[in-house]
Amino acid sequence: DQQVKQNSPSLSVQEGRISILNCDYTNSMFDYFLWYKKYPAEGPTFLISISSIKDKNEDGRFTVFLNKSAKHLSLHIVPSQPGDSAVYFCAAKYSGAGSYQLTFGKGTKLSVIP
Amino acid sequence: DTGVSQNPRHKITKRGQNVTFRCDPISEHNRLYWYRQTLGQGPEFLTYFQNEAQLEKSRLLSDRFSAERPKGSFSTLEIQRTEQGDSAMYLCASSLNWGTADSYEQYFGPGTRLTVT
Repeated sequence: DQQVKQNSPSLSVQEGRISILNCDYTNSMFDYFLWYKKYPAEGPTFLISISSIKDKNEDGRFTVFLNKSAKHLSLHIVPSQPGDSAVYFCAAKYSGAGSYQLTFGKGTKLSVIP
Repeated sequence: DTGVSQNPRHKITKRGQNVTFRCDPISEHNRLYWYRQTLGQGPEFLTYFQNEAQLEKSRLLSDRFSAERPKGSFSTLEIQRTEQGDSAMYLCASSLNWGTADSYEQYFGPGTRLTVT
C-alpha cells in the first residue's frame, strides 16, 4: 500500500517556465514532508521541507505548498533550469515520538528542455 | 564536511554469498539510516541508529540482514546468503540532533549497487 504517491512518472517543462511536481499521501499521521532531487548514479539530495503546521515554505526558486485537508503537497520550481532535470522524490515522516524513518514516493522524472 | 560516503560503490556477488557494505556519515551527525531502492521505486527504510543504538527496524530487514554501528561513527550492513531479490541500491543517510533541536532532514550517500547473480 503506497502511502506516499507521485502519480506522474515524468514531466517535461520548457526552460524558464514553472515546474509543478505533485505528491499525495494517505496517512494523516505524517507531520513533516520533504522533497529530494536525485541525479543518476548519485544519492538523493535534500531540497526543501515543510512541517504540517505550515502551508508554504520557500527557498529561492523552490516553493513547497501543503494542503492538509486534501493530503496533497506540491513543489514549484520557478524558473526551471536545465540543471533541474532529475528525479524528484516526495517523502514524509510519521508523527510518532522517536520515529525518524522517511516514507518515499516513487518519484517524478523532470526534464527541463532548453 | 565531506558528506556521507559509502563503500563499495558497486558489488557483484553470486547467490548464497555474504556481502558487507560500509557507510561513513557526516562526522558530527549522530543519526544514521539505511534504505534500499529498487528500479522504479523510491528508497525504502531498513533501519536507523542513534549513536550506536539501533532504534528502528523495518519488516523488510529479514533475518539475513544485520546492521551495526559499533562506535557510533561508521556503520556496516551485512547480507548473508544473498538472493537475487536482494539486488538493489543500498543507501545510507545521516542527520543531526542535539538537545531539543530535532532535524528531520536526512543527507544521503551515493549508495552501493548490489547485483546478485
